[in-house]
Amino acid sequence: NAGVTQTPKFQVLKTGQSMTLQCAQDMNHNSMYWYRQDPGMGLRLIYYSASEGTTDKGEVPNGYNVSRLNKREFSLRLESAAPSQTSVYFCASEGQGEFGELFFGEGSRLTVL
Amino acid sequence: LAKTTQPISMDSYEGQEVNITCSHNNIATNDYITWYQQFPSQGPRFIIQGYKTKVTNEVASLFIPADRKSSTLSLPRVSLSDTAVYYCLLRASNFNKFYFGSGTKLNVKP
Repeated sequence: NAGVTQTPKFQVLKTGQSMTLQCAQDMNHNSMYWYRQDPGMGLRLIYYSASEGTTDKGEVPNGYNVSRLNKREFSLRLESAAPSQTSVYFCASEGQGEFGELFFGEGSRLTVL
Repeated sequence: LAKTTQPISMDSYEGQEVNITCSHNNIATNDYITWYQQFPSQGPRFIIQGYKTKVTNEVASLFIPADRKSSTLSLPRVSLSDTAVYYCLLRASNFNKFYFGSGTKLNVKP
């Protein structure tokens, strides 16, 4: 029972490099989310996707792009990484039961030097 | 989007009941009040959700007064393993986005 799987778990980048964070869920959920969490802070919504092929901006979308090519996967891309993007990134999917709660992955810790 | 306000931190001792209050003065009619718990190095997990009055599950209780401008998460007889950050969110019934605030860091002492 994998739930939400994120890769990689750790990554170190140099300023200006690009990379993609991968997220996959096996719960057949429609909606998926990307958050970032800076040290000692709460989570901030970057992008979300209500369904396959649709995406929408959250609170802090600048510097990121997302892709929802199928129902299972929702990727987050940093085209030109900056030190300000050093953070822990969490992917989540939204359950379709009574509470519509979010199920989170284990997080991806990204450091930009 | 309606904002929530919580205390930044709270201390408690094992075996005590802990009440964390969240203020949401501009709550909309179709907003549900939802609480999440986050342990270090993990993603948040859902605890409880309610619309009005009182909701109880195996983990916590949620008290919501009639005006719904605040809510209180109650954790009975906390243990050291309840040390975590607790987030209060408003979730609209017809709206996808979930916005987390800064949360309340609960420190349970032996």
